[in-house]
This record gives sequence, structure tokens and C-alpha cells, in this order.
Amino acid sequence: QKEVEQDPGPLSVPEGAIVSLNCTYSNSAFQYFMWYRQYSRKGPELLMYTYSSGNKEDGRFTAQVDKSSKYISLFIRDSQPSDSATYLCAMTAKGGANNLFFGTGTRLTVIP
Amino acid sequence: GAGVSQSPRYKVAKRGQDVALRCDPISGHVSLFWYQQALGQGPEFLTYFQNEAQLDKSGLPSDRFFAERPEGSVSTLKIQRTQQEDSAVYLCASSLSVHLSGNTIYFGEGSWLTVV
Repeated sequence: QKEVEQDPGPLSVPEGAIVSLNCTYSNSAFQYFMWYRQYSRKGPELLMYTYSSGNKEDGRFTAQVDKSSKYISLFIRDSQPSDSATYLCAMTAKGGANNLFFGTGTRLTVIP
Repeated sequence: GAGVSQSPRYKVAKRGQDVALRCDPISGHVSLFWYQQALGQGPEFLTYFQNEAQLDKSGLPSDRFFAERPEGSVSTLKIQRTQQEDSAVYLCASSLSVHLSGNTIYFGEGSWLTVV
């Protein structure tokens, strides 16, 4: 079993839709949670960073962490064609980038 | 440059050939990381440098993989006697610190290696 599970999609939504992306994990020691966006043939870029449980909002993006369920989510409101990319969840127990575990990524397409 | 620069962007190697992948991190970033991303997968950690010291190489898949950062800036990932399973994107990332709290790691665009 992988440390982090993520539905690879693909996911297609119309422009303006609310998108929900999710990951589950097995290691209860994870306490730092991130979402990265990766455009085709580019490196991942950090979207959201959350420590422990709770919600965090940044513009159209909201990250949620439920440690009791070992479940994290990313919501994108008013989705735009420019949001079309692969979204990777990532997490670590000790907060170091040398022990960062990524999901497989969910490929999202927002249709104009 | 403004970002993490990697070269070559694309490399096709014959099985058994040695390859060297270069990473030029953001100026001033002391931490440098190499990740391997297979097709349809998330990145997996390979190795980590703080300045010129390789502090963690636990993710290197075999002794055919070797990384160095002799002067604490540019890093090279070397793969000896390449195998087909080495085909992947090799991502380099750099940051001011290894710790993610209050800190961001910046990824390069990757070196795409295909072993035929």
C-alpha cells in the first residue's frame, strides 16, 4: 500500500465549476500537507501549505485537512481553463523536503 | 537565473550508457533536492544536499545512481549503466532551508530521460 493515495482522474469540468480534489494517507505521523500544481512538461509549483488539521483559504483555493480520517482536500472555486493541470498532494511527518511523499496526481481539464 | 535550471531537458540514452544530468539552483539556496518522477506518478525523493554536503541519499534506487554538488551550487546526478526502468523525469529543486514551514522549495522543469 502506498503512503499516499490519490485518484489519477482524469477529471473534466466546465468553466466556473467547483472542483474537489482529494488524497488519503496511511501514516498518522504526517502533519505537514501541501498541494502542488504541475503543468504539462513543467515542474511542480506550490499552491497551498497547511500544518496539522483545519482549513486554509487563498483566493479561489481552499485546502482542508482531516487528520482523524487521514484525508485531505483541495477545492477550486470558479474554475478557469488556466487551472487545467495535474494537481499533486504531498505530505511529510517532520516537515523536511527530504521526506516528502507525493500522491500520483490528478489530471484536471477545465473546459471553456 | 530567476529559477532552477536543468539540462539537458531531454535525453535519450541507450541501455548501458552513462548519463549526467545538471541542476543549477536558485542563487543563494543552500538546500538542493533531486526527485524522480515516473510517467503518471508523483515525484519520489532521491537525495538532498545542504551546501556541498550530501545529507540524505536514502532515496537513490541503486549504486548506479550518484549525485554531487562539489562547490555548493551546481549539482550533477549521474546514472551509470542505464536501464529501461530508469526512464523518468528527474526533477531538481532548491530552497533556502530543508524545512518546509515558512519556506518554499522551487522545482526545475526536469530532465526527461528515456532509455532505449
